Amino acid sequence: SQQGEEDPQALSIQEGENATMNCSYKTSINNLQWYRQNSGRGLVHLILIRSNEREKHSGRLRVTLDTSKKSSSLLITASRAADTASYFCATDQAGTALIFGKGTTLSVSS
Amino acid sequence: ETGVTQSPTHLIKTRGQQVTLRCSSQSGHNTVSWYQQALGQGPQFIFQYYREEENGRGNFPPRFSGLQFPNYSSELNVNALELDDSALYLCASSLEGGADTEAFFGQGTRLTVV
Repeated sequence: SQQGEEDPQALSIQEGENATMNCSYKTSINNLQWYRQNSGRGLVHLILIRSNEREKHSGRLRVTLDTSKKSSSLLITASRAADTASYFCATDQAGTALIFGKGTTLSVSS
Repeated sequence: ETGVTQSPTHLIKTRGQQVTLRCSSQSGHNTVSWYQQALGQGPQFIFQYYREEENGRGNFPPRFSGLQFPNYSSELNVNALELDDSALYLCASSLEGGADTEAFFGQGTRLTVV
């Protein structure tokens, strides 16, 4: 079952622009993670935010978490062509599994 | 590179056959989780092994089984393959059991069932 749902499903922007992706989930969580996947290969961990945190930064990435709305957002600033990938949010469920959404496909053109 | 390696990278099997996929975890990690990713979908949790014991299972039938060895590498076995089993199979290793820490993924095994 899908716990997280990303929005939009697809996003096309120009290099240098900012990209924002949103994730909504259904049940209470301990943490939420964002991953990137290039061309159907393995996933790369981007950032983990815990339920008692509201915002976290890592380089050009900014993640926010609103547990009252059960939602999170991932902001990529000053996008580059190399940021072209699918982005997934994942939440923990029963403390064991990462439950992923269907992802947002980001395309950054130069 | 995450240090998590999967083999083989690609595989073609016939419906009804059995398949074994392998995963070596990152050094120092005692937990391996397996995921199935169909085309255009997010990864779906199959099961997790922590210190050689199954530590949680997703909504997959018993013909999906696994094993973790003393060196924490792992196998995923699928019996009686069906066409819908065609997918990218991902393994992820992490420091401890559960889903509270970063997971390091391998590059996946692309399984095609014909």
